[in-house]
Amino acid sequence: GQQVMQIPQYQHVQEGEDFTTYCNSSTTLSNIQWYKQRPGGHPVFLIQLVKSGEVKKQKRLTFQFGEAKKNSSLHITATQTTDVGTYFCAGYHIMEYGNKLVFGAGTILRVKS
Amino acid sequence: DTGVSQNPRHKITKRGQNVTFRCDPISEHNRLYWYRQTLGQGPEFLTYFQNEAQLEKSRLLSDRFSAERPKGSFSTLEIQRTEQGDSAMYLCASSFGDGAYEQYFGPGTRLTVT
Repeated sequence: GQQVMQIPQYQHVQEGEDFTTYCNSSTTLSNIQWYKQRPGGHPVFLIQLVKSGEVKKQKRLTFQFGEAKKNSSLHITATQTTDVGTYFCAGYHIMEYGNKLVFGAGTILRVKS
Repeated sequence: DTGVSQNPRHKITKRGQNVTFRCDPISEHNRLYWYRQTLGQGPEFLTYFQNEAQLEKSRLLSDRFSAERPKGSFSTLEIQRTEQGDSAMYLCASSFGDGAYEQYFGPGTRLTVT
């Protein structure tokens, strides 16, 4: 089964509301990546977090990596219709997972205008 | 840089037939990955190449699946004796360097096995 869990599975927000998705790993990660997949599209890289407690911002998006490097979150402030899509986290740990990314099942974001 | 391309984009086949998909990565990328994605799930790792060497293969991958990257450039994924459970989107991604760097995904090949 999935070793990287994401919640919620689905969220429907009003345009302008905030959105957060959470990612939890069963093991400590070396780093974590976030991807966005638009409906009918393919995953597109957003960001990579490496350090314990790291916080990175991209305009309205804020990414955090937990102190224990087992969880992460993506927060979007004041959602827009262009934010619609599925957000995936993907964990990397060469000893646990081998030299590959393990993706969560994703959080689907829908935005009502 | 034209990005990662995959062909065909769609494939419908009958159960028991063999299919082959092609992936052309970004030219300077040394790593190439194959994933399978089904509805409501994230990409599931199948295998990856560093240059022409296939370095890792998922334990979930049956013997019916084989992949090649003969000259360290494009790659092919073949599924023999397809089953209905093979129906999925097959994604290819490439990256540059050793380790977990950002991956660039292609548009995928959607396989439907009837």
